[in-house]
Amino acid sequence: QVQLVQFGAGVKTPGASVKVSCKAFGYRFTGHFIHWVRQAPGQGLEWMGWINPNSGETKSTQKFQGRVILTRDTSISTAYMKMNNLNSDDTAVYYCARGFYGDYVPDFWGQGALVTVSS
Amino acid sequence: SYVLTQPPSVSVAPGETARITCGENNFGRKGVHWYQQRPGQAPILVIHSDDERPSGIPERLSGSDSGGTATLTISRVEAGDEADYYCQMWDRTSDHVVFGGGTRLNVL
Repeated sequence: QVQLVQFGAGVKTPGASVKVSCKAFGYRFTGHFIHWVRQAPGQGLEWMGWINPNSGETKSTQKFQGRVILTRDTSISTAYMKMNNLNSDDTAVYYCARGFYGDYVPDFWGQGALVTVSS
Repeated sequence: SYVLTQPPSVSVAPGETARITCGENNFGRKGVHWYQQRPGQAPILVIHSDDERPSGIPERLSGSDSGGTATLTISRVEAGDEADYYCQMWDRTSDHVVFGGGTRLNVL
């Protein structure tokens, strides 16, 4: 059974960093992209980027380039999203999701990690 | 780059048919996917590749395409269908995933 379990939720102060993890179960981790999507309170889904767990290649929107780092540890089937220099606009639920149907369709999603940025 | 346009909300009575549209600004779209998100929950993929249902998704949900507009149709709407629905595509030029703004389905 495919499952993505996330950790890393919490309250952060402006300027701090957060690292959210996403552990995969039930499929071959290196066989599918991991996408990162965030959702601010009351807002829609915002795609952030993807990582190819097999090669480590990443792609992210220009908005997050330089501030978001996507990595993975294949030995423990876990992907990570680290965001630096947090501000209040980064308050959101951060989701990871497996890419399927050609890698670009997030089919199974993690439960989400709520990151609140507040002083 | 792709911009996907959805109506903010659609309202239907139980038992009626709901149609949620997704317009994109680049002709020659290459596959639209749909997600259902109930309050407080993660999104669920309900339609992929325009009109394919993943395992476990009821046949009442279907997808279609006409020119530059994709449509998610929910037949015999139930109270449990009340949720936000998002369309999604892959922009192969930028290698980015794009989501529509989302549509709130209200069941009257």
